Amino acid sequence: SVLTQPPSVSGAPGQRVTISCTGSSSNIGTNDVHWYQQLPGKAPKLLIYGNNNRASGVPDRFSGSKSGTSASLAITGLQAEDEADYYCQSYDSSLRGSMFGGGTKLAVL
Amino acid sequence: DVQLVQSGAEVKKPGESLKISCKGSGYIFSNYWIGWVRQMPGKGLEWMGIFYPGDSDTRYSPSFQGQVTISVDKSMSTAYLQWNSLKASDTAIYYCARIAPYCTGGTCRERQENEFDYWGQGTLVTVSA
Repeated sequence: SVLTQPPSVSGAPGQRVTISCTGSSSNIGTNDVHWYQQLPGKAPKLLIYGNNNRASGVPDRFSGSKSGTSASLAITGLQAEDEADYYCQSYDSSLRGSMFGGGTKLAVL
Repeated sequence: DVQLVQSGAEVKKPGESLKISCKGSGYIFSNYWIGWVRQMPGKGLEWMGIFYPGDSDTRYSPSFQGQVTISVDKSMSTAYLQWNSLKASDTAIYYCARIAPYCTGGTCRERQENEFDYWGQGTLVTVSA
């Protein structure tokens, strides 16, 4: 994927984890980043839009940030129910289309 | 409430054609980009392409250009994803999703760079001889 995410991250309940998403000047460097959560067997759900805005109903334990050509999703106070796959997305101005990162599997130990 | 309801699972043979659907409700269908996302078994999300019903503008990922066709029937508030000749490698779950509008100062307009705010439940397509 043009947007690079770590394949997996893990943390104990109550801990803080971050998931990175690295791109380039034509995507993250120029455009917004959005984050999605996909629980096992379910459709993806919007988590963060426009780099750092929580979607409706998303707990404030989830936060997003962007700097240069990278973005991050942070989850604090980790809970068992957070165990899921997380994807970043950004528009690429050169390709004139959007793309997803490869996804990160979060394990809550 | 905004809803996207997709057609049911399909089992097809290689070389067959297929058209799956995604019906929107609870919003003005013509005013929002709608897109398709592929998820192959055990793999991540892939952005396939999007369609703007307002003017029929269509964008495809280079990976899917020429492989599938995205269309819309505005009168039915329904988007479609079509294959002319399926391959075993087309086996996947396909999601439709709506792109959120860009709103500022009390007015909103379409913006393809925005996030997918509502998703369909997914359609499993299995292609096997």
